[in-house]
Amino acid sequence: EDQVTQSPEALRLQEGESSSLNCSYTVSGLRGLFWYRQDPGKGPEFLFTLYSAGEEKEKERLKATLTKKESFLHITAPKPEDSATYLCAVLDGGNEKLTFGTGTRLTIIP
Amino acid sequence: DTAVSQTPKYLVTQMGNDKSIKCEQNLGHDTMYWYKQDSKKFLKIMFSYNNKELIINETVPNRFSPKSPDKAHLNLHINSLELGDSAVYFCASSLGTSQYFGPGTRLLVL
Repeated sequence: EDQVTQSPEALRLQEGESSSLNCSYTVSGLRGLFWYRQDPGKGPEFLFTLYSAGEEKEKERLKATLTKKESFLHITAPKPEDSATYLCAVLDGGNEKLTFGTGTRLTIIP
Repeated sequence: DTAVSQTPKYLVTQMGNDKSIKCEQNLGHDTMYWYKQDSKKFLKIMFSYNNKELIINETVPNRFSPKSPDKAHLNLHINSLELGDSAVYFCASSLGTSQYFGPGTRLLVL
């Protein structure tokens, strides 16, 4: 069964303090790894798709990287508006199911 | 322009009632999904339809029945609601691998 584990569960950073969120996964046939942002009371917002080990994607202060066992979401000089829950998910190419982790709740303190 | 929309946004009902949640996407995507997010914020797939055909049907009670009148719509009907059905239900759509989520329907069963 596909599994996705995210750490830490919660992270509090000062504004401008860079850090990384981790997503470890096991999947029989990885078709893609996805990062989403979810704000309270809203649906997940698509951020990135990574398809193969070594791939990197960037968007503003966020950078996602992928290895064969895990993905990192690096956040550089974060701002309070980056506060949200960040969700990682893997798409299994065998059954076409998207399996989510439980997320990292990120709080950026001004 | 709302890409994936759901109605209603909130649904409060009594145990034993039957209710429906509607989803529409204007992205031209071929595949639509229903997810359930529990109180611990864990997102889990329930159903997936591709061009009105059911392709994923997770082990959910048969009180839950999805219906896709056309590829832009996927509705979820729930019979004999139970307390444990209280959750946030998200609709999503995709063309290819990346899924785009609606704003969610918050269901509370009393």
